Amino acid sequence: EPEVTQTPSHQVTQMGQEVILRCVPISNHLYFYWYRQILGQKVEFLVSFYNNEISEKSEIFDDQFSVERPDGSNFTLKIRSTKLEDSAMYFCASSYSGLAGVYNEQYFGPGTRLTVT
Amino acid sequence: ELKVEQNPLFLSMQEGKNYTIYCNYSTTSDRLYWYRQDPGKSLESLFVLLSNGAVKQEGRLMASLDTKARLSTLHITAAVHDLSATYFCAVEVRVQKLVFGQGTRLTINP
Repeated sequence: EPEVTQTPSHQVTQMGQEVILRCVPISNHLYFYWYRQILGQKVEFLVSFYNNEISEKSEIFDDQFSVERPDGSNFTLKIRSTKLEDSAMYFCASSYSGLAGVYNEQYFGPGTRLTVT
Repeated sequence: ELKVEQNPLFLSMQEGKNYTIYCNYSTTSDRLYWYRQDPGKSLESLFVLLSNGAVKQEGRLMASLDTKARLSTLHITAAVHDLSATYFCAVEVRVQKLVFGQGTRLTINP
């Protein structure tokens, strides 16, 4: 069964450093998402991406964050200058269509645990 | 802004008992999802509820949706230890964003 994959599973970085989290969505999916979950808290939407541009983003997704689909398979989340409060589990998700009125289940990857020290 | 509230947030119960987790949300939506998360793991999709009155069952879990009341329930029947996990409901806002509840941490004791 197709699945969303993410690398690395765990990333440790120092405050102020740039990190890139990688995701490979399910191959025929067209919409891509990033969510994050601070330890013990709820899952929060960061951004959705379609047709090589951001469709929607949350207030968390400030100028320090960016997303990119550099090739036909990868989808990345970059944090330009990490802060301690960026420590969280980051989940990538993908869905087939995202069209209004069409069933649009999002499939989640296993997550990347980011630890900022 | 859409708010999604679950209760209870923590639930400790004995094997064999029944219980219900509630998910209330603050604005109109016709799509609601239930996920299970084990510690340190990803989100496992349990149910997708697409319309008012939808009811779905899988094993000892049953989910329902009342869009008029803006309420979904996840009912656990005759709980077993393997169901211990955190359960999240998520409401779809437009078609590109899920708003999650805080999660209900369920512990089932022998």
